[in-house]
Amino acid sequence: DAGITQSPRHKVTETGTPVTLRCHQTENHRYMYWYRQDPGHGLRLIHYSYGVKDTDKGEVSDGYSVSRSKTEDFLLTLESATSSQTSVYFCAISDGAGGNTIYFGEGSWLTVV
Amino acid sequence: QKEVEQDPGPLSVPEGAIVSLNCTYSNSAFQYFMWYRQYSRKGPELLMYTYSSGNKEDGRFTAQVDKSSKYISLFIRDSQPSDSATYLCAMSLYNTDKLIFGTGTRLQVFP
Repeated sequence: DAGITQSPRHKVTETGTPVTLRCHQTENHRYMYWYRQDPGHGLRLIHYSYGVKDTDKGEVSDGYSVSRSKTEDFLLTLESATSSQTSVYFCAISDGAGGNTIYFGEGSWLTVV
Repeated sequence: QKEVEQDPGPLSVPEGAIVSLNCTYSNSAFQYFMWYRQYSRKGPELLMYTYSSGNKEDGRFTAQVDKSSKYISLFIRDSQPSDSATYLCAMSLYNTDKLIFGTGTRLQVFP
């Protein structure tokens, strides 16, 4: 298994509160990604990073921010959580060598009430 | 219209059956084609990977890409109950790891 740890794995939070999800990798891979998975939509890219302090927006980035201060950690922050952000969030890592080297974490289940 | 279309199923088959899973796509520039398997409450795991057109076989699994028809398939031979999962197709452009996923097909193989 790829060395990817997501935390927390489960969280219930209230609307309007900030939430931070953490992805930690032990593979020293350059690329890191945050996806969300929702019924009827599949996996959609939120933000990605191609190196320390280098990040960019994905398909569904509104309401989310990210930070990467170390190679091994990629943080996803919901500045003010909304019910539409209730979802399963997956972190993924890649060494940039193409689609066959993308590995996913186990997911973080977030419920916004 | 979504860039990648995939029938959500569910698809229910008896053990030992041949399973065919399919995706269609609209962007002719896609070069990398992947199939991921996702068990309930787990992360997706890479099952098959194909670059450009052609077939690839790995044990009971065969992936096919037909770029002229913008159609990819995953065949599972001698299906087992342990194959019960959601199968996600994904694809990307050349020289990028940003994947576009289908919505997934839920497969159930019953004994």
